[in-house]
Amino acid sequence: KAGVTQTPRYLIKTRGQQVTLSCSPISGHRSVSWYQQTPGQGLQFLFEYFSETQRNKGNFPGRFSGRQFSNSRSEMNVSTLELGDSALYLCASSLGTVPGTNYGYTFGSGTRLTVV
Amino acid sequence: QQQVKQSPQSLIVQKGGISIINCAYENTAFDYFPWYQQFPGKGPALLIAIRPDVSEKKEGRFTISFNKSAKQFSLHIMDSQPGDSATYFCAARSGGGADGLTFGKGTHLIIQP
Repeated sequence: KAGVTQTPRYLIKTRGQQVTLSCSPISGHRSVSWYQQTPGQGLQFLFEYFSETQRNKGNFPGRFSGRQFSNSRSEMNVSTLELGDSALYLCASSLGTVPGTNYGYTFGSGTRLTVV
Repeated sequence: QQQVKQSPQSLIVQKGGISIINCAYENTAFDYFPWYQQFPGKGPALLIAIRPDVSEKKEGRFTISFNKSAKQFSLHIMDSQPGDSATYFCAARSGGGADGLTFGKGTHLIIQP
């Protein structure tokens, strides 16, 4: 059974550009969540999608957005990149209607974004 | 208060010993407490999770102890092995789930052979 697939694995962007990251959840999983991981702030919740609807959003500026498609694949977009956006972006999928609570997340290996 | 405080930041344990990582929380609405293990270059993987209606849960060499009145929970790794060397994160979430999982800052565990 394939795990959570995130593409690309590594990305280098210039300040001011925008970036789109992709996540394919485990087959049958309808919930997808995104987290940002940095050495200073640790793992921070970005947003959560279930059946194409954003259910929750973390405390990030509007430059961070996402969406989920009918096949449960998800993308997140960051516009007007800043140096501080350099991080590992993790996608997690789950079976449950309240992901992380009723069913454990399965995380992908992440996309390492470097902003220069 | 959504914060989850994790300690220690780093831990060195001899092979065969017991590794203990502690977490404390403030939000009494939290009702789900998982632990994740992360190896370099990989995403976190769920190890074990507990709800506040039980005080202890064991899965193999991993045990969560939960103290609801003290708002603390801990991970015990028995018979620690070099392959357990990784970063461990505690987390918490409320049923309302408005903010996703709230993670501790992580503990870098090294098991010395």
